Amino acid sequence: AQKITQTQPGMFVQEKEAVTLDCTYDTSDPSYGLFWYKQPSSGEMIFLIYQGSYDQQNATEGRYSLNFQKARKSANLVISASQLGDSAMYFCAMRENYGGSQGNLIFGKGTKLSVKP
Amino acid sequence: DAGVIQSPRHEVTEMGQEVTLRCKPISGHDYLFWYRQTMMRGLELLIYFNNNVPIDDSGMPEDRFSAKMPNASFSTLKIQPSEPRDSAVYFCASTLDRRNTEAFFGQGTRLTVV
Repeated sequence: AQKITQTQPGMFVQEKEAVTLDCTYDTSDPSYGLFWYKQPSSGEMIFLIYQGSYDQQNATEGRYSLNFQKARKSANLVISASQLGDSAMYFCAMRENYGGSQGNLIFGKGTKLSVKP
Repeated sequence: DAGVIQSPRHEVTEMGQEVTLRCKPISGHDYLFWYRQTMMRGLELLIYFNNNVPIDDSGMPEDRFSAKMPNASFSTLKIQPSEPRDSAVYFCASTLDRRNTEAFFGQGTRLTVV
């Protein structure tokens, strides 16, 4: 079973508008971390934002925020005021902190975001 | 620190040949991950190490793939014999053993098996 699900293979957004990229996860580990990465066409993996399972507040980093709904096991990425340079693949990832696979880092299949001028 | 360093950046080889991909993690990082990225399957975790010890290699596709980490500053991923379906971008990543720290990725090795 997939541990990280990103249901949107591709998304379009108008420049300067906000966009939400969906991510749901599955774990029985009480302690885990959730990450979002950006992969532009050049191929490098760029870390964007982190949310811990025990964090009370949603994480924010500049124009990026993470809408964390623990009961629903969702960790959606919100990008505000989209820019043309935001066009890229976006990956959601989870790291479990206990159990036999402690420390592993699993990625979803990604969402390709295209920002239209 | 120069970041995670992978070599080579590009590799073209003939089917049946042995291929070795190399990775130098960031100094002091406890975890090292090997991923394979393809259009069809996305970013798959192949194997990861903690303090040079393999923790989970369930993602390794088959016996043709092997990975080693002889010391804290070096890891290899070997494919022998290589097949065209192994063509992909292979990423190495490293991170500290702290829950809230992100993994840092190398630039990747683009492998083409013809």
